[in-house]
Amino acid sequence: GQNIDQPTEMTATEGAIVQINCTYQTSGFNGLFWYQQHAGEAPTFLSYNVLDGLEEKGRFSSFLSRSKGYSYLLLKELQMKDSASYLCAGLDSNYQLIWGAGTKLIIKP
Amino acid sequence: IAGITQAPTSQILAAGRRMTLRCTQDMRHNAMYWYRQDLGLGLRLIHYSNTAGTTGKGEVPDGYSVSRANTDDFPLTLASAVPSQTSVYFCASKTGADTDTQYFGPGTRLTVL
Repeated sequence: GQNIDQPTEMTATEGAIVQINCTYQTSGFNGLFWYQQHAGEAPTFLSYNVLDGLEEKGRFSSFLSRSKGYSYLLLKELQMKDSASYLCAGLDSNYQLIWGAGTKLIIKP
Repeated sequence: IAGITQAPTSQILAAGRRMTLRCTQDMRHNAMYWYRQDLGLGLRLIHYSNTAGTTGKGEVPDGYSVSRANTDDFPLTLASAVPSQTSVYFCASKTGADTDTQYFGPGTRLTVL
């Protein structure tokens, strides 16, 4: 079956660094997406990885290991506005997204 | 219009009633999607359309139908609503390139009593 696992909730301190992990099992694999979703709002795109390695985009970086079925999202210099849910999604062999349940990130001052 | 719009924003519906959720995009994207999002679960695909005139079933299609008469519009119909269809519904679209990013509408919060 297809499955995306990520922690339900994480807490971090303003200014710190946090890593949100995601493991995936999809039928075929065509890449891994990360989205951010603030409460009551729509998901918005953060990153897409299809090759192994780290992709850096400002304060946010995303890492992929295809051999391990593993990805993480790294958020640096945390700000209060980063309080949100972070959704991991794998693109399967039919190019459909398989979504994790999301990780709720709570930032404390 | 810029991006994807959905209507209504929220709705309370009696069980057994018929309801159509509207989704319109002005980005000329070929592919469109309907998802539902429930607490503790990931987004689940209901139906999709890769291009105007075609539709396909997703993970949870029962009780829902869609049509794609043109590029811009992708309405979702609940023929006879049931309480288990209480959810937040998101419409999304992408250009049609297989690995392109999906862009989401603001969502419709539906409560079926």
